[in-house]
Amino acid sequence: AQKVTQAQTEISVVEKEDVTLDCVYETRDTTYYLFWYKQPPSGELVFLIRRNSFDEQNEISGRYSWNFQKSTSSFNFTITASQVVDSAVYFCALSEAKAGNMLTFGGGTRLMVKP
Amino acid sequence: GAGVSQSPSNKVTEKGKDVELRCDPISGHTALYWYRQSLGQGLEFLIYFQGNSAPDKSGLPSDRFSAERTGGSVSTLTIQRTQQEDSAVYLCASSLALGAGGNTIYFGEGSWLTVV
Repeated sequence: AQKVTQAQTEISVVEKEDVTLDCVYETRDTTYYLFWYKQPPSGELVFLIRRNSFDEQNEISGRYSWNFQKSTSSFNFTITASQVVDSAVYFCALSEAKAGNMLTFGGGTRLMVKP
Repeated sequence: GAGVSQSPSNKVTEKGKDVELRCDPISGHTALYWYRQSLGQGLEFLIYFQGNSAPDKSGLPSDRFSAERTGGSVSTLTIQRTQQEDSAVYLCASSLALGAGGNTIYFGEGSWLTVV
C-alpha cells in the first residue's frame, strides 16, 4: 500500500532563511505521481507541483525548488529566502497510476516564518 | 469563479441533526473527490466519483455518511445523525481523468463543520 511520511510536523525559521521540507514515500507501483500542496490559514489547498516517477529532473520555480530522488524515495521541497507569506501547512502527496487519481497525503509540515 | 466551489463555508449543527455539504467542481472535470481534515490531522479520503462509474466509497467512515453526484457535476455529501467527532473541514476537489492517473487535483476552500 502507498504511504507518505512527512517527519517534520512543525518548522520555524526567520525570514530570509532557506528551509527544506522533507517527504518520503512508499509505493509498489512503478508509475506514480508526487505532489506538493500548500494550505495557508484560509484553508484552501493550493497546488504547487506534480512530478511523475519517470522524471527525476529537479525543478525550480522562483524561490521554490524540488529534489526528487527515487533511490531514497524522497521528494523534498526547498524554499529559498523564506518570507512571512510562506507560512502555511505544506502537504506532500502520492498517487499511483493503478489507483487512478487517488491521492494519499502525508501528515503535513507546518512552516512558520517569523519576521 | 473558475475554481471548485463549496457551500456552506461554515456550518454549526447540533448533535443528531443531518447536514448536507455541496460541491460544484471545475467545469469539465469528470472526477470529483471528498476529503476530510480533522483538527490537527491530515487529509482523509472519503469518496471518489469518476464520470458515470460507480463511486469509490471505500473511505467513508460509517454508514451515516453518503454522497451523490447529480448530472456528473454538482455533488452533495450528507452526514446523518451527526456526532461530535464529525467536526472537521470537508474538502471537495476535482480533476480531469485522463489516462492512467496523475492528473492534478484542485481543491475548494472547504466546508467547516462544527457539531455541538
